[in-house]
Amino acid sequence: ILNVEQSPQSLHVQEGDSTNFTCSFPSSNFYALHWYRWETAKSPEALFVMTLNGDEKKKGRISATLNTKEGYSYLYIKGSQPEDSATYLCASPRSGNTGKLIFGQGTTLQVKP
Amino acid sequence: GAVVSQHPSWVICKSGTSVKIECRSLDFQATTMFWYRQFPKQSLMLMATSNEGSKATYEQGVEKDKFLINHASLTLSTLTVTSAHPEDSSFYICSAWTSANTDTQYFGPGTRLTVL
Repeated sequence: ILNVEQSPQSLHVQEGDSTNFTCSFPSSNFYALHWYRWETAKSPEALFVMTLNGDEKKKGRISATLNTKEGYSYLYIKGSQPEDSATYLCASPRSGNTGKLIFGQGTTLQVKP
Repeated sequence: GAVVSQHPSWVICKSGTSVKIECRSLDFQATTMFWYRQFPKQSLMLMATSNEGSKATYEQGVEKDKFLINHASLTLSTLTVTSAHPEDSSFYICSAWTSANTDTQYFGPGTRLTVL
């Protein structure tokens, strides 16, 4: 059974702080790793889809790295802003490109002004 | 682009009634739509996969007679919770996939169902 775990469950930081959180997944039969950003009352928004070991992707102040051999991905936010407050989800397909995503529980980030 | 809407955003109903939730892809054709639900403090759990024009496939433990899914067009899938009971109270969210870009699923904003 594919198990995706995220830590920490929640995080409170001050505006301007940089932060990071972790997503771990089984390294065997890896296909892809998705990161989503989910603001309250809105739709989860796709941030990154990562497939290659060692991959690093960046979108503004947010970046992510992937280690498929050891089964983890880090999401980094540089200089957090209040608008970064959201729940960050990672997910991996159960098998291949089926679209059947297994989600972690999410990391809820609160950035205080 | 790639917007998915869900209606209603929240619904309260009495035990024993049926509730229909609509998921629409507004600006693209969705060959596949997925239905997830989330119980408090838990992760999004896949319930079923629906492809346009064919029967939905359900995940283990999800009753197909209770959660009826219809994907009649490339832009609309509906989930009907039949004879709802309080234990069906949950957050239901859909996502859509297009064959033009199978890397990304586009999610709706979700529907909060409360069964009294």
